[in-house]
Amino acid sequence: GQQVMQIPQYQHVQEGEDFTTYCNSSTTLSNIQWYKQRPGGHPVFLIQLVKSGEVKKQKRLTFQFGEAKKNSSLHITATQTTDVGTYFCAGREAGGGNKLTFGTGTQLKVEL
Amino acid sequence: GAVVSQHPSRVICKSGTSVKIECRSLDFQATTMFWYRQFPKQSLMLMATSNEGSKATYEQGVEKDKFLINHASLTLSTLTVTSAHPEDSSFYICSVPQGAPNSPLHFGNGTRLTVT
Repeated sequence: GQQVMQIPQYQHVQEGEDFTTYCNSSTTLSNIQWYKQRPGGHPVFLIQLVKSGEVKKQKRLTFQFGEAKKNSSLHITATQTTDVGTYFCAGREAGGGNKLTFGTGTQLKVEL
Repeated sequence: GAVVSQHPSRVICKSGTSVKIECRSLDFQATTMFWYRQFPKQSLMLMATSNEGSKATYEQGVEKDKFLINHASLTLSTLTVTSAHPEDSSFYICSVPQGAPNSPLHFGNGTRLTVT
């Protein structure tokens, strides 16, 4: 079945440093979504990318969807302590209906 | 405010008992809801798709007779863990599409189930 992997699994950064998580799907995706889950909380939707090569920005966050629609990345510029949490990509397989498969997640810790 | 209400947030039960978890869509009607399970420090695994007025669609490896799903109305889906065992201890989260079934998801706050 479809697998969605993320690297790295964990990342510790100093506040102010940049952070990137990479997402790779075993199959072509119709779209990719990103969610953030704070410790002890539930996932919160951040953004959805649909088009091949699409790039979207939300303040310090930049999201990219690969040309082949099988990979994506999230880059955070100048991390802050409020960025702490686990970031998940989630994708729907092209032609695979409504099932949303979550990536393995990247846990981000930001130290002062 | 929250658009998806999930109850209870925590439950501790004895092995062999059943536990019902409710998921309510507060702001809009949902013909489809999704139930996920998350083990500590792991990803979310889709258990089943709850369909209003029809049977739920279960993912491979999920026992439908153990995890009973009822989507009784356009705003309520329930997950009942029957004859719970310690290995069923997990974080169960429901989610509701923001619009069409293939749109981004609103998640409930989740239910932490501990089976002793």
